Amino acid sequence: RKEVEQDPGPFNVPEGATVAFNCTYSNSASQSFFWYRQDCRKEPKLLMSVYSSGNEDGRFTAQLNRASQYISLLIRDSKLSDSATYLCVVNIWTNAGKSTFGDGTTLTVKP
Amino acid sequence: NAGVTQTPKFRVLKTGQSMTLLCAQDMNHEYMYWYRQDPGMGLRLIHYSVGEGTTAKGEVPDGYNVSRLKKQNFLLGLESAAPSQTSVYFCASSFRTSGNSYEQYFGPGTRLTVT
Repeated sequence: RKEVEQDPGPFNVPEGATVAFNCTYSNSASQSFFWYRQDCRKEPKLLMSVYSSGNEDGRFTAQLNRASQYISLLIRDSKLSDSATYLCVVNIWTNAGKSTFGDGTTLTVKP
Repeated sequence: NAGVTQTPKFRVLKTGQSMTLLCAQDMNHEYMYWYRQDPGMGLRLIHYSVGEGTTAKGEVPDGYNVSRLKKQNFLLGLESAAPSQTSVYFCASSFRTSGNSYEQYFGPGTRLTVT
């Protein structure tokens, strides 16, 4: 079993739709959680950190459920520019900053 | 402030040749990492460094060596390239935030083909 698992998709949605991605992690010692975005043939870029109380950044909302060991990303009012692969990332503070990346969920937003 | 830069951007090698990939960061980050990403797959950690003069093995270290002689630079070497090392290589750096988490910042990648 992978340490971080994501539904690979692809998710194909129309502009304006709301879409949600889930990610599960297996190591209960995981302490920090992030969503990264990766455009085709580009480097991953930090989208947002995920806090225990949940957090929102514009159209993006991230949630953490430690009991069930999953995190989620909700995108409202999807834009064409949201088309990308979304990577779930977890790390353990004592692990020398090493992060474990999920394989990503691909989103395509269509006109 | 250039962030994380990688040299070269593209390279084609023949089997058995050697090369060094250079990663440089100007953010004074302590931690640096080398990943590879194969088509349609996730990132896999090759080697990492927690500070100048230190290196450690990641998930897939075989066939690679690294050095971190200066804090801002992290070099990845392939001593004898093999076709299985055809991949996109990403370098990243990070720091420990006040909240004890590590946000990673990536370079643009090096696309390596071994024939």
